[in-house]
Amino acid sequence: AQSVTQLDSHVSVSEGTPVLLRCNYSSSYSPSLFWYVQHPNKGLQLLLKYTSAATLVKGINGFEAEFKKSETSFHLTKPSAHMSDAAEYFCVVSDRGGFKTIFGAGTRLFVKA
Amino acid sequence: NAGVTQTPKFQVLKTGQSMTLQCAQDMNHEYMSWYRQDPGMGLRLIHYSVGAGITDQGEVPNGYNVSRSTTEDFPLRLLSAAPSQTSVYFCASSYSIQGGKNTEAFFGQGTRLTVV
Repeated sequence: AQSVTQLDSHVSVSEGTPVLLRCNYSSSYSPSLFWYVQHPNKGLQLLLKYTSAATLVKGINGFEAEFKKSETSFHLTKPSAHMSDAAEYFCVVSDRGGFKTIFGAGTRLFVKA
Repeated sequence: NAGVTQTPKFQVLKTGQSMTLQCAQDMNHEYMSWYRQDPGMGLRLIHYSVGAGITDQGEVPNGYNVSRSTTEDFPLRLLSAAPSQTSVYFCASSYSIQGGKNTEAFFGQGTRLTVV
């Protein structure tokens, strides 16, 4: 069975400092992994995805994530936080065949001026 | 490009009422899913479908029914609404790519449901 654990429910950073949002996954097969962002009262926007190519994945707005099979992790990073990055972030795993796509509980990112 | 369309956007129901949340996609995607989003719990999978005529239960299926008579449509039915079903509901679609991997999910804008 697949599962996703986002290790922090809240992360607070200062503007201009690095962002690290942690995600561990469990999957029976070689998974597809995604990060989504949701701004308050908005829908879900795809930040980036890993399907089987390069393990370092670059996404929109300067975010990137590295797939580490040995650690079953897919942490999201950004070198320098911006106020507009304040939102909720979801790590998502989808097993081979896409029969089930499972979301993590989310990490709320706060960015201080 | 319509993508995934959900209706209605907002709905208030009385306990015991039934209703159907509509979801339609125009991308010919084989996979469709329904999620509910509650604070601190992320999105939880209610039901999903891997093609017309094929549906299965997700993590939290109780109180909900689905059917998939066409590729495009995947309605979610609440049989007898309860306050515990107050939530934001998202419909999503996706498709498989080479190697059996799945693409990202394309989401509708959500339906905010309140059961009083």
